[in-house]
Amino acid sequence: QVQLVQSGAEVKKPGSSVKVSCKASGGTFSSFPVSWVRQAPGQGLEWMGGIIPVFGTTNYAQKFRGRVTITADESTSTAYMELSSLGSEDTATYFCARVGSTSWFEYWGQGTLVTVSS
Amino acid sequence: DIHLTQSPSSVSASVGDRVTITCRASQGISNYLAWYQQKAGKAPKLLIYGASNLKSGVPSRFSGSGSGTDFTLTISSLQPEDFATYYCQQAKSFPPTTFGQGTKVEIK
Repeated sequence: QVQLVQSGAEVKKPGSSVKVSCKASGGTFSSFPVSWVRQAPGQGLEWMGGIIPVFGTTNYAQKFRGRVTITADESTSTAYMELSSLGSEDTATYFCARVGSTSWFEYWGQGTLVTVSS
Repeated sequence: DIHLTQSPSSVSASVGDRVTITCRASQGISNYLAWYQQKAGKAPKLLIYGASNLKSGVPSRFSGSGSGTDFTLTISSLQPEDFATYYCQQAKSFPPTTFGQGTKVEIK
């Protein structure tokens, strides 16, 4: 059974960066795309971007291009999302999500709360 | 980007009620649509994919239909554990993928 375990909550200052990890266990990590989806408090889901670990190819939502970097380490089955130039509007829970045999987001991490506050 | 509009934004219903949620796409997406359930403080859970395919392990009271621009999620007989927020997602234009704004199903 695939499990995704994310790193813990973060509190960051405006203008700084945050890097969130997502470690996979079970299944084949490299072949399936991993995406990052965020959810501001009381708001909906927003796709930020994704990576196919075996190829290292990435795609980013236009809104985050230039500010987000998604990487993956096949040796540790871990995906990372780094977001820079943080503002208060980036306060949100960040989820990693992995595509399954249905080709949709079947597996999700537990979420990482990032709070941006001075 | 393809925009998804869900309606209603919230619905109050009782256990045993039939609940229908709609999702309209800003352009045709064939059947590249999924539905997720999210409970407070938890990650979303995939319910329906390909517009009408029930994910293994999901109760049969959930069903999805539609194609093109108009889609529905139906819960045939609402159970206590179904009170949650539901999101549609399109992948016709992936990347990017987009989600609807969500529909909250509340206890009446």
